Amino acid sequence: NAGVTQTPKFQVLKTGQSMTLQCAQDMNHEYMSWYRQDPGMGLRLIHYSVGAGITDQGEVPNGYNVSRSTTEDFPLRLLSAAPSQTSVYFCASSSPGAPPEAFFGQGTRLTVV
Amino acid sequence: DAKTTQPPSMDCAEGRAANLPCNHSTISGNEYVYWYRQIHSQGPQYIIHGLKNNETNEMASLIITEDRKSSTLILPHATLRDTAVYYCIVRVAEAGNMLTFGGGTRLMVKP
Repeated sequence: NAGVTQTPKFQVLKTGQSMTLQCAQDMNHEYMSWYRQDPGMGLRLIHYSVGAGITDQGEVPNGYNVSRSTTEDFPLRLLSAAPSQTSVYFCASSSPGAPPEAFFGQGTRLTVV
Repeated sequence: DAKTTQPPSMDCAEGRAANLPCNHSTISGNEYVYWYRQIHSQGPQYIIHGLKNNETNEMASLIITEDRKSSTLILPHATLRDTAVYYCIVRVAEAGNMLTFGGGTRLMVKP
């Protein structure tokens, strides 16, 4: 099993550009989520999904869109990149039940210039 | 999720036990204590979790006080590879992977 796979690993965008960060998991997990981590800080929740077709906002959703058309994939879209979105982005997945542990991808390091 | 308080940094000698404390005085009865660690900006890695009993696995032990207001993660024989930021998180089971990360404790294991 590959676990949680994020692509790309590194990306540089110009202000105003859009792009999609990809996240795929092969563990048949129902729960998936996106976090961002700014330098020296803990992770903050952007969006999450409890199953295909169901998404909701986390702590810092502005500037990001998500969709969940399949169990395996949970892409994160940046609509119009801003320098404030320079960060490391992590995707996580887990199963429902009490209590599930979360599996994280290795991250996408995004720089917006 | 209940708020947690951890020291920002700790040092430990290689081969000695590392004891990482966490305060969670507002924890509710149905909230679990989770520990994750993050090695050098990699994705966080699950370590252990518990509700009220002490727990042990191949990575660590978790000691939860009887009133559940604090806990300690114990790495019994720390190695250089255990140098990381350790996060204590309390949450209900239904929260899935919607985790609230604080600042964590930066553990430096020294030779």
